[in-house]
Amino acid sequence: SQTIHQWPATLVQPVGSPLSLECTVEGTSNPNLYWYRQAAGRGLQLLFYSVGIGQISSEVPQNLSASRPQDRQFILSSKKLLLSDSGFYLCAWSGWDQNEKLFFGSGTQLSVL
Amino acid sequence: KNQVEQSPQSLIILEGKNCTLQCNYTVSPFSNLRWYKQDTGRGPVSLTIMTFSENTKSNGRYTATLDADTKQSSLHITASQLSDSASYICVVRGGYNKLIFGAGTRLAVHP
Repeated sequence: SQTIHQWPATLVQPVGSPLSLECTVEGTSNPNLYWYRQAAGRGLQLLFYSVGIGQISSEVPQNLSASRPQDRQFILSSKKLLLSDSGFYLCAWSGWDQNEKLFFGSGTQLSVL
Repeated sequence: KNQVEQSPQSLIILEGKNCTLQCNYTVSPFSNLRWYKQDTGRGPVSLTIMTFSENTKSNGRYTATLDADTKQSSLHITASQLSDSASYICVVRGGYNKLIFGAGTRLAVHP
């Protein structure tokens, strides 16, 4: 069966510090991978998606970047965090059929102080 | 503009009661609509998917409806349980496989 792991669960970082959130998927190959951010009271915002190794599409300009060094590994990074980067970050994967669901990780609550 | 609006924003009901959550969308073209349940501090989990040709679909105590003409969907929860306390998110897939998320309805079931 497929599983998705995301870590850490919570993170408190000072402004200006770097960020690295990691997400790995098991039990499937060549998944579509996604990074979302969820602000309180608002819908999930797609940050990045990837259809293959090294292929990253950015949905919104921001202080973050993403990389996919391996087929089932997706990393969200920042060189210098801003206060506005605080939020709940979710990694997700899906197959290629348009009716397929998203499978989400357990999320990372990031607080930038 | 492609949008998904959910109502109510929050809801409190007593255990054992029924409730209905609403989702209105302006997404075009329309591919499908999916309801997710998100427990606090966790990732969303899919409950059901509605395609253009489907009007009603049930998953246990959850029943989703879709009216593609009026662009409305509802999620009905029967005989609510404490474990139903969560946020329920409506997601519409539009053109170019783009997903548009609603802000969710936060449901609290009290004993």
